[in-house]
Amino acid sequence: GNSVTQMEGPVTLSEEAFLTINCTYTATGYPSLFWYVQYPGEGLQLLLKATKADDKGSNKGFEATYRKETTSFHLEKGSVQVSDSAVYFCALSGNTGNQFYFGTGTSLTVIP
Amino acid sequence: DTAVSQTPKYLVTQMGNDKSIKCEQNLGHDTMYWYKQDSKKFLKIMFSYNNKELIINETVPNRFSPKSPDKAHLNLHINSLELGDSAVYFCASSQEPAGGAQETQYFGPGTRLLVL
Repeated sequence: GNSVTQMEGPVTLSEEAFLTINCTYTATGYPSLFWYVQYPGEGLQLLLKATKADDKGSNKGFEATYRKETTSFHLEKGSVQVSDSAVYFCALSGNTGNQFYFGTGTSLTVIP
Repeated sequence: DTAVSQTPKYLVTQMGNDKSIKCEQNLGHDTMYWYKQDSKKFLKIMFSYNNKELIINETVPNRFSPKSPDKAHLNLHINSLELGDSAVYFCASSQEPAGGAQETQYFGPGTRLLVL
């Protein structure tokens, strides 16, 4: 079946540090992969996505590359800001089952 | 201007009561969802409707019943509330279901339910 595994948090970084949040997946077929971000007290919003192998999604300085050979979609940012403090969710959509599968979320806190 | 809206934002109620949460989207999307997020932020899909028809019905107690009067609305009714129902409930919508070219989901702000 389909599933997503994210690194556990919480993660605490100093401002301007490099961020990596690991995400690996198990899927049949050719899923699309997503990162969603949830700021405190809000709903999730799409951060970036990739729909096929070797695609790179990017937004607001964040990047993730769809790696089929390692079944991974790690999220990276070169220099985090305090405003990046949020919970980050990796997700996939399978092309069967009409369903999205979310990881458990990784909480990031960036301190000045 | 709100794309996906939910009411109420907060809901505090006693065990055994029946309550409803409403969701509306003004994006013209065909697919809507209900998710439950527990205290550890784990997000679990509950239901999905496409063009008012149920397409996902995960293993949730039958005390939970979704209703979609039209494509823009998906309400969640909960009977006989239990302590374990306390969570944040998110509504979401997308133009197409998962696997479609326009599958990006747009989430509402959430309804924080506390059962005492």
